[in-house]
Amino acid sequence: EAGVTQFPSHSVIEKGQTVTLRCDPISGHDNLYWYRRVMGKEIKFLLHFVKESKQDESGMPNNRFLAERTGGTYSTLKVQPAELEDSGVYFCASSQSASFYQETQYFGPGTRLLVL
Amino acid sequence: QKEVEQDPGPLSVPEGAIVSLNCTYSNSAFQYFMWYRQYSRKGPELLMYTYSSGNKEDGRFTAQVDKSSKYISLFIRDSQPSDSATYLCAMSAQENTGNQFYFGTGTSLTVIP
Repeated sequence: EAGVTQFPSHSVIEKGQTVTLRCDPISGHDNLYWYRRVMGKEIKFLLHFVKESKQDESGMPNNRFLAERTGGTYSTLKVQPAELEDSGVYFCASSQSASFYQETQYFGPGTRLLVL
Repeated sequence: QKEVEQDPGPLSVPEGAIVSLNCTYSNSAFQYFMWYRQYSRKGPELLMYTYSSGNKEDGRFTAQVDKSSKYISLFIRDSQPSDSATYLCAMSAQENTGNQFYFGTGTSLTVIP
C-alpha cells in the first residue's frame, strides 16, 4: 500500500512569490493533517481536514496560507505571498480515524520550503 | 515556556548500548504520550504510545511516563545501527484533535557499529 506522498520534495522561492504544496493521503483516509516544522523548532499543527471539510484550522499562522481538499482526496497548501519566516518543512499526515490514540497518523516525507 | 522540552543531543552510543531518551512537559492535562522515530528525509513514524502513567514495552523499546514529575522516557535496549534516527516525543490532553498535539524538538541518535 502506498504511503502518504508529498510534492514537491523541495521548493526554493523568492519572497513575495506563491508556492503550492500537495499532499496525497493514503487511500481511504478521511482525516488529513498539515504540520510545519520551522528550523530548530518543534513540529506544529496547522490544520485538520475531515474529508473535504476543515475540521480545525486554528494552527494556520495567517491569511497568507490557504488549504484545500477538493473531493476529499488530495490536499493543497498554498502560501501567497511567501515570507522569509515561512521557510521550513511542511508535513502532511493522514489517518482513517480522528483518534490518533486508536489509530496512527501516517506522515509523508515532507516538503522542504526555502524562501529567499 | 515551551509545552514540551526535549534535549536535541546529538547522542552517540556504541552498538548494543541501552539508550535513554527523555522529555519533560509543563501541562499537567497531558494524558496521551507518544514517541516517533524520524529517519533522515522521511516523515515521523509512530513508535509507541501510552495513556496516563506507567510503562509500556514493545520488543527492544520501553516507554515510561511519570506524570507526577511530568517526565517521559523511551528506552532502547541492545541498540542497533538501524536505530540511528531522530526521536520525537509528542503529547496531548485530548485524543481527537491535532491542535492540542505538542511535539518535542527531537533528539538525534547515532548508534555506532
